[in-house]
Amino acid sequence: GEDVEQSLFLSVREGDSSVINCTYTDSSSTYLYWYKQEPGAGLQLLTYIFSNMDMKQDQRLTVLLNKKDKHLSLRIADTQTGDSAIYFCAETLYGAGSYQLTFGKGTKLSVIP
Amino acid sequence: DAGVTQSPTHLIKTRGQQVTLRCSPKSGHDTVSWYQQALGQGPQFIFQYYEEEERQRGNFPDRFSGHQFPNYSSELNVNALLLGDSALYLCASSFDIEQFFGPGTRLTVL
Repeated sequence: GEDVEQSLFLSVREGDSSVINCTYTDSSSTYLYWYKQEPGAGLQLLTYIFSNMDMKQDQRLTVLLNKKDKHLSLRIADTQTGDSAIYFCAETLYGAGSYQLTFGKGTKLSVIP
Repeated sequence: DAGVTQSPTHLIKTRGQQVTLRCSPKSGHDTVSWYQQALGQGPQFIFQYYEEEERQRGNFPDRFSGHQFPNYSSELNVNALLLGDSALYLCASSFDIEQFFGPGTRLTVL
């Protein structure tokens, strides 16, 4: 079955890089996502990666995927106070008969000015 | 493009009542999914609608039901409300692998 785990808290100084980690259990072909949630708001899709890829970069965001260890990370370069939020890792078996997103509990990122 | 919209923003109900939440998908999207997010937790999948049919369902009781209309908008209905149904209810629309979320409806059951 699907299970996604994340550490709950991360604190970084403004201007440093943030690395948020996630592990997943499903070994089938899957899409893996990162979403951002600010207080009182819905979820904003940041980026996603397919499980046959190793890395994806989009401006300040870099996603790294270690398929052997089923480990996904999101690196935010030059972290700003506006990056303070909860970050969710999610996976789906889209295309293999399952369309639901399975989420981790979220990592709360606090950026210290 | 207005993005995904949900109504109402907030709702207060008492135990045993019934509630209907509404969602309008992003322009061009034909699929709507509903999620429940309890405080301090990640969203949990309730069900997904495609072509006006429930395509997949998560581990939620039959008290949770839904509908999708020909214009792709959707409703989530919850009957016989319990205190534990208090949560943020999120709607997500999609055309393929990217699901875009609305701002949610905060339901409080007293």
